[in-house]
Amino acid sequence: EAGVTQFPSHSVIEKGQTVTLRCDPISGHDNLYWYRRVMGKEIKFLLHFVKESKQDESGMPNNRFLAERTGGTYSTLKVQPAELEDSGVYFCASSQVRVPYEQYFGPGTRLTVT
Amino acid sequence: AQKITQTQPGMFVQEKEAVTLDCTYDTSDPSYGLFWYKQPSSGEMIFLIYQGSYDQQNATEGRYSLNFQKARKSANLVISASQLGDSAMYFCAMERQRGATNKLIFGTGTLLAVQP
Repeated sequence: EAGVTQFPSHSVIEKGQTVTLRCDPISGHDNLYWYRRVMGKEIKFLLHFVKESKQDESGMPNNRFLAERTGGTYSTLKVQPAELEDSGVYFCASSQVRVPYEQYFGPGTRLTVT
Repeated sequence: AQKITQTQPGMFVQEKEAVTLDCTYDTSDPSYGLFWYKQPSSGEMIFLIYQGSYDQQNATEGRYSLNFQKARKSANLVISASQLGDSAMYFCAMERQRGATNKLIFGTGTLLAVQP
């Protein structure tokens, strides 16, 4: 069974540009989460999808971030326009809809904004 | 406020010895879950062990065990018989089981180095 995959693994962009991160969850996992780790700080929750619906987007930092999940399958996270403080590692995780909701993480996308 | 605290930024342990990684948490939720994840230098997050707040016994998974002390709000990870491959960053996380959302709240992590 394939795990959670993320693309790209690393992205370097200039301030003001747009970047789109993609996450493919484990097949059959209705829950999909995005997290971010800024250098030296803890991993922080961004948002949670159940199928194609946003269940909780309380962690989204501002309206420069837009997440979508087309048809309840893969998800994209767009940052437009990117700022220096957006640099970090963006993790995607997925889980089944049952306790204990063990979340399986992808390898992350390292975003560097210069 | 919900919070996870890992007070050990770095730890050293000799190969084959046991090591305890500390984790304390703060929550007012009656139901929650506690996780430990391992992040090797390659970057992926690997699930290690889970403890539910109502579980009566401490969770164990192979060489990993979770020392859950609910009254003290601690959930320490014990790794027995350390191996060189255990060298990694370890994150403690709490799952908020509130309504239909169950986001994880992470600590800052502990970097474990296993020495031969």
